Amino acid sequence: NAGVMQNPRHLVRRRGQEARLRCSPMKGHSHVYWYRQLPEEGLKFMVYLQKENIIDESGMPKERFSAEFPKEGPSILRIQQVVRGDSAAYFCASSSMADTQYFGPGTRLTVL
Amino acid sequence: AQSVTQPDIHITVSEGASLELRCNYSYGATPYLFWYVQSPGQGLQLLLKYFSGDTLVQGIKGFEAEFKRSQSSFNLRKPSVHWSDAAEYFCAVVFTGGGNKLTFGTGTQLKVEL
Repeated sequence: NAGVMQNPRHLVRRRGQEARLRCSPMKGHSHVYWYRQLPEEGLKFMVYLQKENIIDESGMPKERFSAEFPKEGPSILRIQQVVRGDSAAYFCASSSMADTQYFGPGTRLTVL
Repeated sequence: AQSVTQPDIHITVSEGASLELRCNYSYGATPYLFWYVQSPGQGLQLLLKYFSGDTLVQGIKGFEAEFKRSQSSFNLRKPSVHWSDAAEYFCAVVFTGGGNKLTFGTGTQLKVEL
């Protein structure tokens, strides 16, 4: 049983470009969460989605960031016009109901 | 305000010694409690969790944690540490009624001396 899959594992973007991070939840899981781990800041919640719905986006920056979890396919975290401060590890987690979350390996974004 | 505190940023123990990592939370009710471990460059692996019931919970890799309501604590323990336990450990909490988002402590970096 495959765990949570994230790709790419490493992503390099220049300032102003777009970054797309993908997350495929564990089989049977319909709840997806995104967290960001900034250097020296720890892990912070960004957004919680179910299929086709955003449940809680209280941790998402107001501009440039968006997330979706379509009926078919992976969840996507999209960062437009990236800046150096967006460099971080982005982790996706999934759960079957609103309980225990299992994490993917993360995408490490570097903005040059 | 709801918060999670891991007071020890770094801990060094000798292989074979016992380990206790501290975690405290600030909340008026009993939250859901978790411990995760992260090896360098890796994702987070769930060690154990507490929702209700027996306050001493067993996890993977020989870890256990005890929930103490009176102290708002959920400390992680291991009787004998192995060199492979060196990693960063995160206490995380779901504050019930606030959705299912995890609030993490700042983490404790464990170093194991051979």
